[in-house]
Amino acid sequence: GQQVMQIPQYQHVQEGEDFTTYCNSSTTLSNIQWYKQRPGGHPVFLIQLVKSGEVKKQKRLTFQFGEAKKNSSLHITATQTTDVGTYFCAGREGNDMRFGAGTRLTVKP
Amino acid sequence: NAGVTQTPKFQVLKTGQSMTLQCAQDMNHEYMSWYRQDPGMGLRLIHYSVGAGITDQGEVPNGYNVSRSTTEDFPLRLLSAAPSQTSVYFCASSSGGLDIQYFGAGTRLSVL
Repeated sequence: GQQVMQIPQYQHVQEGEDFTTYCNSSTTLSNIQWYKQRPGGHPVFLIQLVKSGEVKKQKRLTFQFGEAKKNSSLHITATQTTDVGTYFCAGREGNDMRFGAGTRLTVKP
Repeated sequence: NAGVTQTPKFQVLKTGQSMTLQCAQDMNHEYMSWYRQDPGMGLRLIHYSVGAGITDQGEVPNGYNVSRSTTEDFPLRLLSAAPSQTSVYFCASSSGGLDIQYFGAGTRLSVL
């Protein structure tokens, strides 16, 4: 079945540094979604990518979907303490949606 | 607008006990799902429903039952709790297929 792998598992950065998390699927995806979960909270939808090679930006966040629709990345420029949390990718293949294990980001002020 | 509401927020069970985790949404979403979240494993789909009267299994359905008698409610039943079911459970809903999912606050379950 579909497997979605996400790296790194943890990332600790100094405030102001950049951060990137990568998501790779074993199969071609219909779309990919990104969610953020604050400590003790629930996942909150950030964005969905559908097209091959698609790039979307939300302020300091840049999301990419690979040409083969099997990988994706989330890049945060100049991290802030408000960026703390776990970032999950979720890939859809038909009716099957699989989440990556997440990347936990901590930011040192 | 409450969104997705889960009850209870916390629960402790003994092995073999049964219980129902409640989930309700007021957004008239057709699609609802249950996930469990364990450390280092992300969110794993337990069961989902594409509409009232229709349910299907996800990645990890064993030990759990669901039903969908109304659009609003999607309860998750543990018939005989086991320690391996200790986890955080999230209910989610979306307006169509597996698109943008709105999650509830979660239920933290411990099985002793």
